Amino acid sequence: DIQMTQSPSSLSASVGDRVTITCQASQDISNYLNWYQQKPGKAPKLLIYDASNLETGVPSRFSGSGSGTDFTFTISSLQPEDIATYYCQQYDNLPPNTFGGGTKVEIK
Amino acid sequence: QVQLVESGGGLVKPGGSLRLSCAASGFTFSDYYMSWIRQAPGKGLEWVSYISSSSSYTNYADSVKGRFTISRDNAKNSLYLQMNSLRAEDTAVYYCARWGIAVAGQTPGAAGWGQGTLVTVSS
Repeated sequence: DIQMTQSPSSLSASVGDRVTITCQASQDISNYLNWYQQKPGKAPKLLIYDASNLETGVPSRFSGSGSGTDFTFTISSLQPEDIATYYCQQYDNLPPNTFGGGTKVEIK
Repeated sequence: QVQLVESGGGLVKPGGSLRLSCAASGFTFSDYYMSWIRQAPGKGLEWVSYISSSSSYTNYADSVKGRFTISRDNAKNSLYLQMNSLRAEDTAVYYCARWGIAVAGQTPGAAGWGQGTLVTVSS
């Protein structure tokens, strides 16, 4: 099974800061990677698909990049409403479609 | 707009069974794979199972294989998860999600989620 290592597990940043989260796959997954946002008490929401494509309606301050085994998720200017836990998920070929461990983003 | 509404969660004793349901609306249900994903209290997301659009293909996480069965009824726009031989470690919020397939021209992955239903396994 493909393992997804996400870091950091938590971070604290100020409003307006640039925030970066990384996700590393245990083997090449091409660009078969999604990023999800989960606000407290809510279901997750898809933000980025195919590593770098913004889902419809998602603000442009969110972006993703990478391919192969190394991926990055960026919030260009952190907003108070971005407080959430963010997860990567791979969907290369066969299941299980494993998730990263999550990154909890808080405001400093 | 994608709407998914789970039901059927509750408190069950270890070794017991439970059947979860997910009612779908706002999209052509029979065009999409569907998935169950769970989240233990205070923990991350764990993919559990998915089923192809015509039910011809299913797959399960090793942690539930042989105990859980996913199924669907396209005529009723409904997804199900039969859970048997439940264990304490199955305690979680269970989400159903619409699973897109890129080769079908769909946004890949879980692009729509229900609100979740809580399953608690405890004596």
